[in-house]
Amino acid sequence: QLVESGGGLVQPGGSLRLSCAASGFTSSSYVMTWVRQAPGKGLEWVSTITASGASTYYADSVKGRFTISRDNSKNTLYLQMNSLRAEDSAIYYCAKRFTSNLDTFDVWGQGTMVTVSS
Amino acid sequence: DIQMTQSPSSLSASVGDRVTITCRAGQSISTYLNWYQQKPGKAPKLLIYAASSLQSGVPSRFSGSGSGTDFTLTISSLLPEDFATYYCQQSYIPPPTFGQGTKVEIK
Repeated sequence: QLVESGGGLVQPGGSLRLSCAASGFTSSSYVMTWVRQAPGKGLEWVSTITASGASTYYADSVKGRFTISRDNSKNTLYLQMNSLRAEDSAIYYCAKRFTSNLDTFDVWGQGTMVTVSS
Repeated sequence: DIQMTQSPSSLSASVGDRVTITCRAGQSISTYLNWYQQKPGKAPKLLIYAASSLQSGVPSRFSGSGSGTDFTLTISSLLPEDFATYYCQQSYIPPPTFGQGTKVEIK
């Protein structure tokens, strides 16, 4: 399973670091992703990191502000979020890719809520 | 980015009804299409991948079909636990993109 943490209330321009701890499987073998969902809205892909951590990918809406990383020794995925904006307010889910080369997500965390507001 | 459009946005149905949800891609995506179910306050759950492959543990009343740009998710006989929001998602070309969702409500 995947368990996210680190969400909360932050002022515009502030920072947060989300964590996603994996258990029951070796997350270091899998590509991992963050997906977010604004209140009452649909799902939006945010970022992806390869199994080794060597390559990272970002949605245009967060590029330059968010950084995805992982610590495979701790089976943990991270999302460092800087220069936060009101439109970043959402539930953030981490998800495991089903296969190495396709963006199909078969295991999801329960989500952590991020609220950006003054 | 590839745009995904679902229809309808919501529907009302009764237990036992056959329900069909449609997803259209902005360009051909072969069969690189997934379906997820999301219940209120819960994470999405993978139901169908590669357009028609049933994820392990998902009941056989769920089925998917289609290729190219047009896809359908069918629930053959709706059960109370099936009332939820359903999303399609393409995995053909990064970034992965989702449809806006179809909410299945109780009539």
